[in-house]
Amino acid sequence: AQRVTQPEKLLSVFKGAPVELKCNYSYSGSPELFWYVQYSRQRLQLLLRHISRESIKGFTADLNKGETSFHLKKPFAQEEDSAMYYCALYGYQKVTFGTGTKLQVIP
Amino acid sequence: NAGVTQTPKFQVLKTGQSMTLQCAQDMNHNSMYWYRQDPGMGLRLIYYSASEGTTDKGEVPNGYNVSRLNKREFSLRLESAAPSQTSVYFCASSGAGIPYEQYFGPGTRLTVT
Repeated sequence: AQRVTQPEKLLSVFKGAPVELKCNYSYSGSPELFWYVQYSRQRLQLLLRHISRESIKGFTADLNKGETSFHLKKPFAQEEDSAMYYCALYGYQKVTFGTGTKLQVIP
Repeated sequence: NAGVTQTPKFQVLKTGQSMTLQCAQDMNHNSMYWYRQDPGMGLRLIYYSASEGTTDKGEVPNGYNVSRLNKREFSLRLESAAPSQTSVYFCASSGAGIPYEQYFGPGTRLTVT
């Protein structure tokens, strides 16, 4: 079975501070991992995926197979980053989402 | 393109009533999904359809049925609503080329009293 764990329900940081949203996974094969974001009153949208090794809106995420983690990081938080963030894993023809972390950036 | 659309946006039901949530996508995607979103529980998969003509149970299928009417449309039916089904329901779709990148609808907020 596949599982995604996001240990923090809420993460509050000050504007300009670094951000790290934690994600750990359990999967027997080679994982495909993603971060989705949901801004207030908007639909969920893909933020980034590990295979692209891209940086979107200043966010990056590195897959660490040894620690089975895919933490989302940003060096300097902005107020517009406040949103709900979901880590997701694709496997066995479906996507499994974590429980989500609400990021609150304090001005 | 409208992407993924859902109707209705809001609905209030009484216990025991039935209703169907509609979802349509215009991206020619093969796969479609229904999720429910509850505080502290994240997104949980109810049912999915990997292709037209097929449907499979997800993590929380009890109390729901689905119909993949054609490639565009995937409906979710509550036969006898219960207060435990109060939630926000999201439909999503994904393409054959990138099956794991999902496009979401705006959601339906359902309250069962």
